[in-house]
Amino acid sequence: GAGVSQSPSNKVTEKGKDVELRCDPISGHTALYWYRQSLGQGLEFLIYFQGNSAPDKSGLPSDRFSAERTGGSVSTLTIQRTQQEDSAVYLCASSYQDSPWGNTIYFGEGSWLTVV
Amino acid sequence: GENVEQHPSTLSVQEGDSAVIKCTYSDSASNYFPWYKQELGKRPQLIIDIRSNVGEKKDQRIAVTLNKTAKHFSLHITETQPEDSAVYFCAADNSGGSNYKLTFGKGTLLTVNP
Repeated sequence: GAGVSQSPSNKVTEKGKDVELRCDPISGHTALYWYRQSLGQGLEFLIYFQGNSAPDKSGLPSDRFSAERTGGSVSTLTIQRTQQEDSAVYLCASSYQDSPWGNTIYFGEGSWLTVV
Repeated sequence: GENVEQHPSTLSVQEGDSAVIKCTYSDSASNYFPWYKQELGKRPQLIIDIRSNVGEKKDQRIAVTLNKTAKHFSLHITETQPEDSAVYFCAADNSGGSNYKLTFGKGTLLTVNP
């Protein structure tokens, strides 16, 4: 597609429920990232994929968070047993990884998650 | 890992004035420094970037400078306009290493008053 696509754009869920957030990166981009942005806050790194593997999961805040990527394309971020502090915008981004001098990452519009 | 500090957290200027946002980074191996602009409710979008083999880059009213020795870089916006009002994020990336990950500063809320 023309840009990074994320779904759902908005999700309201009850505390304790599981949620899945989907990201469809720009076609041909080998790298995929998940960031989290709480209200009025910065961009918190969650996880990075190169192809289908995740060499860096260091940002996942707890074992309730997991992510996978299949076919070198679509990625799903899953949050189990959601808590109110999980409420945030979850931003997906993608990029090529063909330059040692830096690769521009492009963000999706985000999935706005509210846990009530 | 990389740590990026960004200042100020808020900045208010009059239309036509200049705005400067400063960032420092900790990893001397970082070699790519982009700046993103995020309007309210929108996605962050790249406005300018600089690589460590240059010290300055300019694009119309926007410029970025990099001091590798001091490990800091700055965004300069001249002749500010109300549409420049947004949150600006700096970031650093060690793309030559094994971990292709952008580390972001906490953002600067820029308000341009007409």
